[in-house]
Amino acid sequence: GQNIDQPTEMTATEGAIVQINCTYQTSGFNGLFWYQQHAGEAPTFLSYNVLDGLEEKGRFSSFLSRSKGYSYLLLKELQMKDSASYLCAVIDSNYQLIWGAGTKLIIKP
Amino acid sequence: GAVVSQHPSRVICKSGTSVKIECRSLDFQATTMFWYRQFPKQSLMLMATSNEGSKATYEQGVEKDKFLINHASLTLSTLTVTSAHPEDSSFYICSISGGEAYQPQHFGDGTRLSIL
Repeated sequence: GQNIDQPTEMTATEGAIVQINCTYQTSGFNGLFWYQQHAGEAPTFLSYNVLDGLEEKGRFSSFLSRSKGYSYLLLKELQMKDSASYLCAVIDSNYQLIWGAGTKLIIKP
Repeated sequence: GAVVSQHPSRVICKSGTSVKIECRSLDFQATTMFWYRQFPKQSLMLMATSNEGSKATYEQGVEKDKFLINHASLTLSTLTVTSAHPEDSSFYICSISGGEAYQPQHFGDGTRLSIL
C-alpha cells in the first residue's frame, strides 16, 4: 500500500528553527509537495521537490532524498503566524496525489 | 488573486437536507477538479475527481448517489450532499489541477458543513 508518515505534532519557540520530516512509500514517484494549512482554511502551496537536494524559498526550505523516500521542511526564524498544520503530499506513478496526515506545528513565545 | 472560488463557506442545516457546494475556476479552464473532505485533525481525503462533460470518478468507499458531482462547464463543478446526516458534517474543499504534475493544485477556501 501507499503510505506517508509525518509526526502528528511538534512544538517550537518563536525565532527558532524547526524541521518537519516526511517519509513515504509509494508506487512510483513524480514529485513531492509541502502545503501549509491554518485551522479552518484550505491548504496553501509551499514547495515542490522532484530532484534530490535542498530548495530554499525565504524562511522555508524543503529537502528531498528519493533513495531514502524522505523529505523535510525546514522553517527558520519562526513566527507566531507559522502555527499551522504542514502537509506532505507525493505524486505517485499514476500521477495521483497521496496526502500525509499533516504535522501540527505549535509556536510558543 | 484567488484562482478558485468556493461557495458557500459555511452551511448549517437540519438532517435530511440536501446541500449544494459550488467550485468555480476563475483563471483556468479546468477540465479536472477535485473534491476533498477533511474531518477534524485528519488529513485531506480525496472523494472524487470531477471531469468536465463526463461522469466523476469516485474514490473507494465514497457513495456516488449520496455525493452528486456535476461538472457541466470548464469553470464550474458542484458537489451536492444529498439527504445529509450529522456524520456528513465535515470540511469540504475543492481544487483544480495546476495542469502539469509539477504544478500545485489550487484550492478553494473550503466549505464547513454542519448537519444538526
